[in-house]
Amino acid sequence: QVQLVESGGGVVQTGGSLRLSCAASGFTFSRYGMNWVRQAPGRGLEWVAIIWHDGSNKYYGDSVKGRFTISRDDSKNILYLQMNSLRADDTAVYYCARDVAGRGSHYFDYWGQGILVTVSS
Amino acid sequence: EIVLTQSPDFQSVTPNEKVTITCRASQNIDSSLYWYQQRPDQSPKLLIKYASQSFSGVPSRFSGSGSGTEFTLTINGLEAEDAATYYCHQSTGFPITFGQGTRLEIK
Repeated sequence: QVQLVESGGGVVQTGGSLRLSCAASGFTFSRYGMNWVRQAPGRGLEWVAIIWHDGSNKYYGDSVKGRFTISRDDSKNILYLQMNSLRADDTAVYYCARDVAGRGSHYFDYWGQGILVTVSS
Repeated sequence: EIVLTQSPDFQSVTPNEKVTITCRASQNIDSSLYWYQQRPDQSPKLLIKYASQSFSGVPSRFSGSGSGTEFTLTINGLEAEDAATYYCHQSTGFPITFGQGTRLEIK
């Protein structure tokens, strides 16, 4: 069965960096695009970034553009999110989600359990 | 950016009741609208794809309809396990956006 397991979260100081990982299993990772979605405490879902199945395209939400980088290692079946210049409003649970592309749009059919990132001054 | 506005924000409902949640898009997104359920302290789960197609394993009491700018999620015969927050989602363009969520409380 499809499994997505995030890791790498924790507490980091304002201005610091953190790298999240998402280990994928149960499907052919290289055939799927992947996303990061976050959820601040008590708030709704916010899309963060997407990477195409072959890594050829990457897009970011406006609030993280220029600070976060999405990448993937298909040899290890791992998705990454490098987060730099972290701010207090980046505090959230971060989910990785598998992407299904078709008919000109994307949806997220499987999600990880999420990992908490806390940015503290 | 395409803005999705859900209504209501919150609804308290009794078991077996029929529930309708609306999602309005700020511009035409054809049928590229998706619905997710997030139970407390769990990750989101896909319910409906392409506005009206049920995802694998989703109970038949969940259904979706609509196209263009107005969409609905209907739950026929609400069960206690349906207590959750429901989100609509679009990705016809970037940035990908979600509605603000509709929280359902079971009385």
